[in-house]
Amino acid sequence: DTEVTQTPKHLVMGMTNKKSLKCEQHMGHRAMYWYKQKAKKPPELMFVYSYEKLSINESVPSRFSPECPNSSLLNLHLHALQPEDSALYLCASSQEESSGDSPLHFGNGTRLTVT
Amino acid sequence: QQQVKQSPQSLIVQKGGISIINCAYENTAFDYFPWYQQFPGKGPALLIAIRPDVSEKKEGRFTISFNKSAKQFSLHIMDSQPGDSATYFCAATDSWGKLQFGAGTQVVVTP
Repeated sequence: DTEVTQTPKHLVMGMTNKKSLKCEQHMGHRAMYWYKQKAKKPPELMFVYSYEKLSINESVPSRFSPECPNSSLLNLHLHALQPEDSALYLCASSQEESSGDSPLHFGNGTRLTVT
Repeated sequence: QQQVKQSPQSLIVQKGGISIINCAYENTAFDYFPWYQQFPGKGPALLIAIRPDVSEKKEGRFTISFNKSAKQFSLHIMDSQPGDSATYFCAATDSWGKLQFGAGTQVVVTP
C-alpha cells in the first residue's frame, strides 16, 4: 500500500458542482504535489507546495484551487470543471522540493469524471 | 516539447525474456534519472534511479545503463515476468528538482 493516501478513489461530478480531492502523507515530507494524468500519458505537474507554501503553479486554470492546511495534508478544490478535465489526479510528496534525488512518492490517485 | 524522449511506446515480451526501454535527453543540467513503474489503477512508483557519474545500476532483475556522452539511458528487465506488465516512465530532474517524464512504455509480458 502507498504511503500517500488519496480520497476519494473515484469521483463523478457535474460541471456546476464543487468538490474537493484530499491527500495525506505521514512521512514527514515537506513538499507535496498535484499531478494530472490522462490515459496513456505521463503525469503532468499542476502545483507544488513546499513547507506549506505554494511554490509552483504550472499555469493551471483557476477552476482548480489547491490548499495545504498543514504539512501532512493537501487538498484540491474543484469548481465549474469541464469534461476535458476528466483524468486521474495524483498527489505526491517528497522530502524536499528542490532536491534532485528526493524521490516522489505517489498516491494511487482520484479518478475524476466530469459530466 | 518533451525534454526526455522515450521508446518504444509499447513492447510485448515472452516470459523469461529481456525487456529494453530507451530514453534520451538534451539538457545537460539533468543530474538524476529515476524510472517509475505504474500498474493500471495505481500511481507511479519509483523502481530504480541513477546519477550520471555511474554507468550502470542493478537492483534485482532491473538494470539501468547510462551513457553520459550520448545522453542516453535505458532500463533492462531481465527474466521478465507477467507481474512486470505495467507502464514504465523514465524521468530526469535538474538541480531545481522538477521532474521531466518520458512519454511512457507499456510493457506486456506473455505467459
